[in-house]
Amino acid sequence: GAVVSQHPSWVICKSGTSVKIECRSLDFQATTMFWYRQFPKQSLMLMATSNEGSKATYEQGVEKDKFLINHASLTLSTLTVTSAHPEDSSFYICSTRDWREETQYFGPGTRLLVL
Amino acid sequence: AQSVTQPDIHITVSEGASLELRCNYSYGATPYLFWYVQSPGQGLQLLLKYFSGDTLVQGIKGFEAEFKRSQSSFNLRKPSVHWSDAAEYFCAVGPMNRDDKIIFGKGTRLHILP
Repeated sequence: GAVVSQHPSWVICKSGTSVKIECRSLDFQATTMFWYRQFPKQSLMLMATSNEGSKATYEQGVEKDKFLINHASLTLSTLTVTSAHPEDSSFYICSTRDWREETQYFGPGTRLLVL
Repeated sequence: AQSVTQPDIHITVSEGASLELRCNYSYGATPYLFWYVQSPGQGLQLLLKYFSGDTLVQGIKGFEAEFKRSQSSFNLRKPSVHWSDAAEYFCAVGPMNRDDKIIFGKGTRLHILP
C-alpha cells in the first residue's frame, strides 16, 4: 500500500509563531490528501481535503486562514498552522487515498505543542 | 445519515484470550469497510478491509473480520491476543470515491492483562 511520511514528527513552538507540517506520499502520486486532527483519546477529525493544484476544501468550523494547506505536487502537501496558540496543540495526521487499492493510508502523525 | 458505531470505548482481555471488537455502520450504499489500529503517538495502520466477496476477511497480525449485511456489522476478531495488541482500534466506512470522506468510529481502546 501507499507509504505516507510526515515531518516533523513533533514540534514545540512559542505562541504566535507559525508551524509547517509536511506530508509526503512516497510511492504513489496522490492527487488528494486529507488532513486530520486528533485530540487525546478521541477519534480523528477531518480538517480539510487537499487537492493537487487547487484550493483545499475545508470542513465546517475549520479556519482557512488559520490552517493553510498547500498541495503543490503529487507527492507533497503541507499544513501551516499560522500564529499558533496553545489551543492548537494537537496531533495532526495526514492521509492519502491509494486508488490502486481503494484504500486510505495514514502518515505517522505530527505532535504539535504550543507554549 | 452515515455513521459508524463502536459501542465499546474500552475493552480489557487477558493475554492469550480471544478478542472481538464490535462495529456497526449505517450507510446508504454498499460500503467499503476498514479496521485500523493506532498505537500511542502513532498514525493509523490498516489491519484489513472489505469491499466485496467473501464476508470473512483476513488481515495482518492475525486479525480477521466478518461482514454481516443483515446486522450492518463488521466485527474484528483475534483468537489469541498478545500484549503488543494493546492499542486503539478504529472501524471506518467509506465509498472510496475521490473526495468523499471516510467515516470513523470513535474507537475502542484495548487493554491487555498479563
